[in-house]
Amino acid sequence: DAKTTQPPSMDCAEGRAANLPCNHSTISGNEYVYWYRQIHSQGPQYIIHGLKNNETNEMASLIITEDRKSSTLILPHATLRDTAVYYCIVSHFPNAGNNRKLIWGLGTSLAVNP
Amino acid sequence: GAGVSQSPRYKVAKRGQDVALRCDPISGHVSLFWYQQALGQGPEFLTYFQNEAQLDKSGLPSDRFFAERPEGSVSTLKIQRTQQEDSAVYLCASSLLSVTANQPQHFGDGTRLSIL
Repeated sequence: DAKTTQPPSMDCAEGRAANLPCNHSTISGNEYVYWYRQIHSQGPQYIIHGLKNNETNEMASLIITEDRKSSTLILPHATLRDTAVYYCIVSHFPNAGNNRKLIWGLGTSLAVNP
Repeated sequence: GAGVSQSPRYKVAKRGQDVALRCDPISGHVSLFWYQQALGQGPEFLTYFQNEAQLDKSGLPSDRFFAERPEGSVSTLKIQRTQQEDSAVYLCASSLLSVTANQPQHFGDGTRLSIL
C-alpha cells in the first residue's frame, strides 16, 4: 500500500478553516484517499474519501491534486470539538481475491484553540 | 444510533491469563475488522472477516491470538497466555459490504487491555 506523510501537529483558531495536508507521492491509480479522525479515548471516525475528484460532505471537503500525489482535508469552520488526531490513508482497491487493508500512520494532531 | 459496540471497555489481566474481547458490529454489516492500537500510534490491522469466513489473519502477531465470528455477526478476539506487550487498545470495525467494495469502516470505541 502507498504510504502517507502528514505533519505531526497543527493549530487552528476556533471558527477558522483548518487545512490538513497529506502527501502520498507513491499512490497508484486505483488507490483511494481516506480521512479518519480519532478523538481522545474514542474509536476512529470516518470523515471522507475520494479517488481523484474533489469531494464534499457535511463534515469536510477533500481536495486532491491533479497528479494525486497530495491532498488536503478542509474543515471549513473548526470548533473545539474538532480537536483530534486526523489520519490520511490510501486504500488499495483490490483485484478479486485480494483483501484491502487500511495502513495507518501517526496522523496529525489538530488542536482547535478558543 | 446502533453503532459498533465493544465489551468490556476496560480489561485488566495478569500476565499468563487468557482474555476474550467481544465485538458487536452494525447489524447487517458483512465485513468485520480487528485492529490493535498502541499508545501514540495509529491502529494496526490484525484480521478480517467476511461474514463468518476469516479471509485475512496476516496481522495477528502470534499464535496466541485467535479470532472468530461463527454466525457472521458477533466476533470474539481471544488472547491466550497474555504478555505485557499485549497491552493496547483493541478496536473493532465493520463495513456494509465486502472489502472489494469501496466502503468506509465504522469503528467501536475499543477495549483497553492492560496486562500486569
